[in-house]
Amino acid sequence: GQNIDQPTEMTATEGAIVQINCTYQTSGFNGLFWYQQHAGEAPTFLSYNVLDGLEEKGRFSSFLSRSKGYSYLLLKELQMKDSASYLCAVKRGTYKYIFGTGTRLKVLA
Amino acid sequence: GAVVSQHPSWVICKSGTSVKIECRSLDFQATTMFWYRQFPKQSLMLMATSNEGSKATYEQGVEKDKFLINHASLTLSTLTVTSAHPEDSSFYICSARDPPQGNNSPLHFGNGTRLTVT
Repeated sequence: GQNIDQPTEMTATEGAIVQINCTYQTSGFNGLFWYQQHAGEAPTFLSYNVLDGLEEKGRFSSFLSRSKGYSYLLLKELQMKDSASYLCAVKRGTYKYIFGTGTRLKVLA
Repeated sequence: GAVVSQHPSWVICKSGTSVKIECRSLDFQATTMFWYRQFPKQSLMLMATSNEGSKATYEQGVEKDKFLINHASLTLSTLTVTSAHPEDSSFYICSARDPPQGNNSPLHFGNGTRLTVT
């Protein structure tokens, strides 16, 4: 089977750093993606990991450990506009993308 | 960047009627498109994979006769919700990869269609 877990909700303060974790169990792992989704809108792509390690993209970084079935998204210098849901998605094989439960992040002033 | 256009953005229909949702890739060719469904405060659930020129592949539990998918060209896939019922009310989102064959190609999403069945 397959299972992708994320915390349901998180709260952080503007300017702070927050880490959103994602654990997964799946066969045919072929990469992990992070998406941001504002309420009522479509998800937008943030980052991609297929090898172990850290990928940095401006204020956003994503880490992957394939042996542990674990990834995290790190958001630095939080801004109010970062309040959104963050979705972890595992790619299985060539074409199948399976999404996690999503983490709703609330950034407080 | 890649753009996926989805239409309509929202639709209200009566129970028993059918609704067609279009998904277009605007600046790239998509041999494969994906249809997702999302309930409020929940994540995206893959419904089916739409393949250009062949039958769609449906996920377990998704009724292929109720959710008809047609992918007649490299830039257009359609999802028709047939004989809609209130429980079909949801947010439907299509997506495609760009470039289609790249291993690290992310999914690009349409803006979604909010369907309300009364």
